[in-house]
Amino acid sequence: DTGVSQDPRHKITKRGQNVTFRCDPISEHNRLYWYRQTLGQGPEFLTYFQNEAQLEKSRLLSDRFSAERPKGSFSTLEIQRTEQGDSAMYLCASSLAGTGENQPQHFGDGTRLSIL
Amino acid sequence: AQSVAQPEDQVNVAEGNPLTVKCTYSVSGNPYLFWYVQYPNRGLQFLLKYITGDNLVKGSYGFEAEFNKSQTSFHLKKPSALVSDSALYFCAVRDSYMDSSYKLIFGSGTRLLVRP
Repeated sequence: DTGVSQDPRHKITKRGQNVTFRCDPISEHNRLYWYRQTLGQGPEFLTYFQNEAQLEKSRLLSDRFSAERPKGSFSTLEIQRTEQGDSAMYLCASSLAGTGENQPQHFGDGTRLSIL
Repeated sequence: AQSVAQPEDQVNVAEGNPLTVKCTYSVSGNPYLFWYVQYPNRGLQFLLKYITGDNLVKGSYGFEAEFNKSQTSFHLKKPSALVSDSALYFCAVRDSYMDSSYKLIFGSGTRLLVRP
């Protein structure tokens, strides 16, 4: 069973550096989401793709953040000029459209980002 | 605005006893409700969802949840707790009217501790 895969699992970097995370959704899923989870909190929505189109971005997603899903399959989330406040778990989820509008989102194990 | 409240940071229960993890929500339209479980350093695993129909929803691992429209609640229950149920539980909602992105709004989570 190939679930949602995220890489890397952990990333430690110095403040000011750029980082990029990758998410591979479940193969037939056409919806892909990015969430951010800080310690002691629930996940917060960042952005959403349907196929290759980025259809919504949260105001949490400052101009230092960019996400892509170029071929409607895997997605990348890039953070430029990282700040201490970017330290969090970044979660990717995917779901299938077209078989009912409320299919559950399936989550990957996340990328934990630590900013030194 | 959509919101989810999980009033208990932690729930303690003895193995074999019934458990309840509370969740209340606020949406403008009809709610679509979900429960997820998170183990340490892992992503979220889907447990169950309420979309429409019977107010009692059955899910994975023997969990169930009861939708109560008048109390705007969606409490998670299990008749007999296992030590292995110890984890972090998140309630989430999507507003059927207000949100075309299918993003989930999560509560802050409840840590369940089942003692032997």
